[in-house]
Amino acid sequence: QSALNQIASVAGSAGHWLDIPCTAIGIDTDTGEFENVAWYQQHPGKAPKLLLYDVTERPSGTSDRFSASKSGDTASLTISGLQPEDEADYYCSSYTNSDTFLFGSGTTVTVL
Amino acid sequence: EVQLVESGGGLVQPGRSLRLSCAASGFTFDDYAMHWVRQAPGKGLEWVSGISWNSGSIGYADSVKGRFTISRDNAKNSLYLQMNSLRAEDTALYYCAKESGYSYAFDYWGQGTLVTVSS
Repeated sequence: QSALNQIASVAGSAGHWLDIPCTAIGIDTDTGEFENVAWYQQHPGKAPKLLLYDVTERPSGTSDRFSASKSGDTASLTISGLQPEDEADYYCSSYTNSDTFLFGSGTTVTVL
Repeated sequence: EVQLVESGGGLVQPGRSLRLSCAASGFTFDDYAMHWVRQAPGKGLEWVSGISWNSGSIGYADSVKGRFTISRDNAKNSLYLQMNSLRAEDTALYYCAKESGYSYAFDYWGQGTLVTVSS
């Protein structure tokens, strides 16, 4: 069974940085199934918002405090200069070769 | 301004059917693939189904395959999800989402319509 695993929660101090990992399970990364990683931010009671796509690309409107990378079966979202408004849930996502998408289990970010 | 407005949610008994709609505006609807994503109360996001611009390519999550049917009417700028044989575990907020066109990502989302399956 394919899945994207994320840690349930992470906390960081305001002004500092933190990483949110997303690990592919049961996905054939050798055949490009984990190439189109995207990241979404969701505040409570709100719809998700696209933060990054194609691993590292930012759509217009995404702060450059958000960056991402990927190595092997793990993608990571980095939030720099943490601000109170960054408190939210973050989800990774990937397209698979069978015309389906997967979302990660989600990570709740707390700013201390 | 891109707008996606879902409708059709509500309370339904297990085993019954429901049809969700998503009205799109602010972009050329028939240029883009569209998707349904759901979120059970207090849980994470789950991709449900997607359909290409011309309905030529359709995908479903295993959890809904054989029970749900996605469709679109480009003349009406509308996306649909026919949900049959509903189960308690289908209870969720259902979002309509637009695929970006430049990547496999969802760049616009509606506010969702709540489906509650309960007797």
